[in-house]
Amino acid sequence: KQEVTQIPAALSVPEGENLVLNCSFTDSAIYNLQWFRQDPGKGLTSLLLIQSSQREQTSGRLNASLDKSSGRSTLYIAASQPGDSATYLCAAYVRAGSYQLTFGKGTKLSVIP
Amino acid sequence: DAGVTQSPTHLIKTRGQQVTLRCSPKSGHDTVSWYQQALGQGPQFIFQYYEEEERQRGNFPDRFSGHQFPNYSSELNVNALLLGDSALYLCASSLGLGLSTEAFFGQGTRLTVV
Repeated sequence: KQEVTQIPAALSVPEGENLVLNCSFTDSAIYNLQWFRQDPGKGLTSLLLIQSSQREQTSGRLNASLDKSSGRSTLYIAASQPGDSATYLCAAYVRAGSYQLTFGKGTKLSVIP
Repeated sequence: DAGVTQSPTHLIKTRGQQVTLRCSPKSGHDTVSWYQQALGQGPQFIFQYYEEEERQRGNFPDRFSGHQFPNYSSELNVNALLLGDSALYLCASSLGLGLSTEAFFGQGTRLTVV
């Protein structure tokens, strides 16, 4: 059974700092990996999708990488801002033929002005 | 371009009652998935609908059922509500069943069972 783990569970950084959020998965036979942002009590906002054949994706100040052999993905946020404060979730499609996303519990990020 | 819309946003029900949640997918999407998110946890997959059929189901009891309409919108029904069903229910839409497709989520329905 695929398990997705996110470390740390919470992170507090001063504004302007660069930071990395980690996501690990137990089954390297994932297909896609997607990073989401969730504000308190709200739905999920898709940030980046890394498809199976890709190693990384970039959008603005965000960069996500995927290393299937080591079972890891990282989300890099450059020059953090208070507006980046939210919970960040990673999710993987378990394997070909399985259409469900398996989520980690998320990393709660606080960016201090 | 309208994203994924869910209704209602909040709902309070009594234990033993039944509830129906609704979802309209993002324009151009034909696949709808439902997830349950308990407080402090990641979302858990309930089931997925494509071409008006349930295509895959997570580890949820038969009290959870759904439907997809010809316009691709979907409903989630929960019977005989338990206190433990209190959660944020999220709907996600995507295009087709291909694994290269990106999932987009709605704002969720907060269900409280008392």
